[in-house]
Amino acid sequence: DSGVTQTPKHLITATGQRVTLRCSPRSGDLSVYWYQQSLDQGLQFLIQYYNGEERAKGNILERFSAQQFPDLHSELNLSSLELGDSALYFCASSSRTGQGEKLFFGSGTQLSVL
Amino acid sequence: DAKTTQPPSMDCAEGRAANLPCNHSTISGNEYVYWYRQIHSQGPQYIIHGLKNNETNEMASLIITEDRKSSTLILPHATLRDTAVYYCIVRVAASGGGADGLTFGKGTHLIIQP
Repeated sequence: DSGVTQTPKHLITATGQRVTLRCSPRSGDLSVYWYQQSLDQGLQFLIQYYNGEERAKGNILERFSAQQFPDLHSELNLSSLELGDSALYFCASSSRTGQGEKLFFGSGTQLSVL
Repeated sequence: DAKTTQPPSMDCAEGRAANLPCNHSTISGNEYVYWYRQIHSQGPQYIIHGLKNNETNEMASLIITEDRKSSTLILPHATLRDTAVYYCIVRVAASGGGADGLTFGKGTHLIIQP
């Protein structure tokens, strides 16, 4: 168990809909990352938040948005869903060691857009 | 971040040492070498990281060549549960609070044979 909690585990929805994925980081971790993994794209970094503020952006679509709340949990909002958005969405939080850092990943949310 | 090159797949017999190579010939002096693995459809799992010296933990050993242009991840006694995709990632340490998103390539699919 990584200590990172993601809900829901599975989500089935229709095209054009909007969904919200939730992530609770490990206790004490200030950074939250979102990744998308589809069969043909591999693991793609979407966005990172640090202590409530956006820190870095990756390949995140304009239809997607995220935020990190004061209690440090994060939500990823996906809107106007398309078939191609079907994927595993992972959240991770980071623990900074003395040198370098480790990312701890949740078990993911499997999104199916029908 | 420096680019890495890994073989797409490898086999190893159960109980033997699994040696996973990674080339990172353009690595900079301040870049760390990280290894993560992903067991089918689970979230990636941190294994080990290092800068210059060889490192060992309860999961694996990391051997970095003197010129730092390549490294080897060693799983000393591979078990069937070690079957996974292994990712070698090279990047600088975080600056001031949190890290930017790690970029995962295609990794090496390690298959442990009974």
